[in-house]
Amino acid sequence: EPEVTQTPSHQVTQMGQEVILRCVPISNHLYFYWYRQILGQKVEFLVSFYNNEISEKSEIFDDQFSVERPDGSNFTLKIRSTKLEDSAMYFCASSDNRLEYFGPGTRLTVT
Amino acid sequence: QKEVEQNSGPLSVPEGAIASLNCTYSDRGSQSFFWYRQYSGKSPELIMFIYSNGDKEDGRFTAQLNKASQYVSLLIRDSQPSDSATYLCAVLTNAGGTSYGKLTFGQGTILTVHP
Repeated sequence: EPEVTQTPSHQVTQMGQEVILRCVPISNHLYFYWYRQILGQKVEFLVSFYNNEISEKSEIFDDQFSVERPDGSNFTLKIRSTKLEDSAMYFCASSDNRLEYFGPGTRLTVT
Repeated sequence: QKEVEQNSGPLSVPEGAIASLNCTYSDRGSQSFFWYRQYSGKSPELIMFIYSNGDKEDGRFTAQLNKASQYVSLLIRDSQPSDSATYLCAVLTNAGGTSYGKLTFGQGTILTVHP
């Protein structure tokens, strides 16, 4: 069964460093998303991406964040200068326009 | 601010019983509703979706939707210890005139099924 994959599973970085989280969506899906979940809190929407551009972003998704689909398979989330409060699980999801399926997540720890 | 509310629990039921999980939402225009299961440290796993008022059954799971009351529920029949997880209610908010959009999640209900 097709699934969303994410790498790395765990990323530790120092405050102020740049990180890139990678995702491979399900191959025939056209809609891509990033969500995050701070430990013990709700899953929160960050950004949606369709047709090679951002279709919607939340207040969390400020200038420190960017997304890119550099080729036909990968979808990346970049955080330019990480802060302690960016520590969270980051989930990539893809959709066939009906149902969203989540990847296993990347645990980002900012020290 | 569109909200999705769930009782955080924990909800504890004996093995074999029916577990009932509830969710309310604030956006009256919402059209699509989802239940995800999340085991500790794992990602949300889609288990049910419902678009129309009434009941939708899939195996041991039944989703119920009442748009007038802005209420969604999930029933799990014959609960098993392996059903112990956090159950997330999610509501789709469409991006202006499209059929896709973002999910707004509730905080989740912790379910424990004890033998």
